[in-house]
Amino acid sequence: NAGVTQTPKFRVLKTGQSMTLLCAQDMNHEYMYWYRQDPGMGLRLIHYSVGEGTTAKGEVPDGYNVSRLKKQNFLLGLESAAPSQTSVYFCASSWVGSYEQYFGPGTRLTVT
Amino acid sequence: AQSVTQPDIHITVSEGASLELRCNYSYGATPYLFWYVQSPGQGLQLLLKYFSGDTLVQGIKGFEAEFKRSQSSFNLRKPSVHWSDAAEYFCAVGPNTGNQFYFGTGTSLTVIP
Repeated sequence: NAGVTQTPKFRVLKTGQSMTLLCAQDMNHEYMYWYRQDPGMGLRLIHYSVGEGTTAKGEVPDGYNVSRLKKQNFLLGLESAAPSQTSVYFCASSWVGSYEQYFGPGTRLTVT
Repeated sequence: AQSVTQPDIHITVSEGASLELRCNYSYGATPYLFWYVQSPGQGLQLLLKYFSGDTLVQGIKGFEAEFKRSQSSFNLRKPSVHWSDAAEYFCAVGPNTGNQFYFGTGTSLTVIP
């Protein structure tokens, strides 16, 4: 039982490049979330999903897209990376109604 | 609007001393409240949560928190801190109607021997 895993762990991008972050969970959770963590700002919700095939915007969705084609996977895409997207990205998942979120280990992204 | 305030950016305590981390929230309805801990280079782990009922909740690793509606607070406490408690602690509230959660900016805890 791996819990929540994130791929990759580290990445450096140049401005304008694109990439996809993968989140996978093996706990059969319905809900999945993508957060970014910046110094002094805590965690901010980017996008979330309440089930396969559904996504919704969070607090800071601009510049990101997501997809949830399979229940266990939640992808976060950056179409044209900007230095402001340098951050640590966390994925989380939870059961319906539980609201206890299980977090992945994070992806550290640097955009130069 | 929903929000969470953690007034203390950094706290230093001696091993064996008691600890209290403060959390204040703004929320339109009865909140669900959470405390998470993050060790360096790791993801967040749930310490405890409050949904309803007894306002004093117990969590893992000897932590407890008390919900005080009149003060809009959910402070985290531990009677005797261990060196392994050094980490970053986050308070969170939610969900709103859109299933969103709001996290505080975190309190970094240093434990000195």
